[in-house]
Amino acid sequence: GESVGLHLPTLSVQEGDNSIINCAYSNSASDYFIWYKQESGKGPQFIIDIRSNMDKRQGQRVTVLLNKTVKHLSLQIAATQPGDSAVYFCAENIMNRDDKIIFGKGTRLHILP
Amino acid sequence: ETGVTQTPRHLVMGMTNKKSLKCEQHLGHNAMYWYKQSAKKPLELMFVYNFKEQTENNSVPSRFSPECPNSSHLFLHLHTLQPEDSALYLCASSQERRSNEKLFFGSGTQLSVL
Repeated sequence: GESVGLHLPTLSVQEGDNSIINCAYSNSASDYFIWYKQESGKGPQFIIDIRSNMDKRQGQRVTVLLNKTVKHLSLQIAATQPGDSAVYFCAENIMNRDDKIIFGKGTRLHILP
Repeated sequence: ETGVTQTPRHLVMGMTNKKSLKCEQHLGHNAMYWYKQSAKKPLELMFVYNFKEQTENNSVPSRFSPECPNSSHLFLHLHTLQPEDSALYLCASSQERRSNEKLFFGSGTQLSVL
């Protein structure tokens, strides 16, 4: 069945280091992927998205990589800061279809001082 | 700050109570959503409204009843809930109901059913 999963429920990273959060998806037809960040006491917030015709997309301090061969998605955060502490969700969808977005379970990112 | 406001932030209710959750968006969006977030589970889509019309009901029990009087407001009416309904209920909006639309979430209502 369809599923979007993250490899690790928790990730601890030293402040200033780069963080890499991974996600695997199973639906080969998925062609649109999104990363959301959820801070404590808040709802999920859009970070970055990528379409399947791209392998990489960069934002401010974040980069998303897509490997369609192995159905793998990753979010890289450069120079991790305390404000990056949150739960990160990947989500997949199929563009131009009226399907619901499928969310993964999330990875909690802890920033170590 | 996201343009989507949910009230109340916290709610404790008994199984025989009737309560309502409210969501308001100030983004001029036309689609609104209710999601349920339980511990250690992915976000579960409950209901979708597009231009005030309900377009999706993902097999949600009838003890949850949504209402969308206009494109800016969304309610979730609750009655005779069960303890397993305790969760964070998130409202979201998007420009329209399309698969590649970014969702803007409220901060949620943390619901506890006793």
